[in-house]
Amino acid sequence: EIVLTQSPGTLSLSPGERATLSCRASQSVSSNYLAWYQQKPGQAPRLLIYGASSRATGIPDRFSGSGSGTDFTLTISRLEPEDFAVYYCQQYGSSPRTFGQGTKLEIK
Amino acid sequence: EVQLVQSGAELKKPGESLKISCKGSGYNFPAYWIVWVRQMPGKGLEWMGIFYPGDSDTRYSPSFQGQVTFSADKSISTAYLQWSSLKASDTAIYYCARQVAYSGYMAYWGQGTLVTVSS
Repeated sequence: EIVLTQSPGTLSLSPGERATLSCRASQSVSSNYLAWYQQKPGQAPRLLIYGASSRATGIPDRFSGSGSGTDFTLTISRLEPEDFAVYYCQQYGSSPRTFGQGTKLEIK
Repeated sequence: EVQLVQSGAELKKPGESLKISCKGSGYNFPAYWIVWVRQMPGKGLEWMGIFYPGDSDTRYSPSFQGQVTFSADKSISTAYLQWSSLKASDTAIYYCARQVAYSGYMAYWGQGTLVTVSS
């Protein structure tokens, strides 16, 4: 089973700043099958990025994904107030699929 | 419009059985894998497994194998997650999600079902 480790656990930033979230895999993720989700309190997760770098439908271009192999990054170029939430990475290159433990992005 | 609508919150006692549902609409229900995800109170997301309504193909995560059962009724476009004997540690929000075709990520999610197991 691939273990995904996200860092930092909590990221405190201000609106307008740039956020960089990391997801590291215990072994290489096949075909860079890595997705990112956003979850706000009381809501279901929302797909942001798939295939490590492809934005899902309707996702603003301030969200971008990068990386390959075992190291992946989600970048939010300029934080909007609605971006403060918990972010999860998920690998779907091997079974069982697994999620990272999440990064909480909070307002500084 | 693709929608997944889950059944309402449940309060059960340890040892009781439970079946929660996830009704799909706006797409060809048998043709897409349904994913089940657990979120324990204040914790992260856990991938429980997947179910293909078309032929009932099922894959459980090792952590959940033998603990839960997935099923579906194609005639009413509804997937199910069931327990035969609940434990307090099953207390969580359970999400169903639709896997994107030929992939393993989820673009559509249900609203979640809160299951509380307490004596």
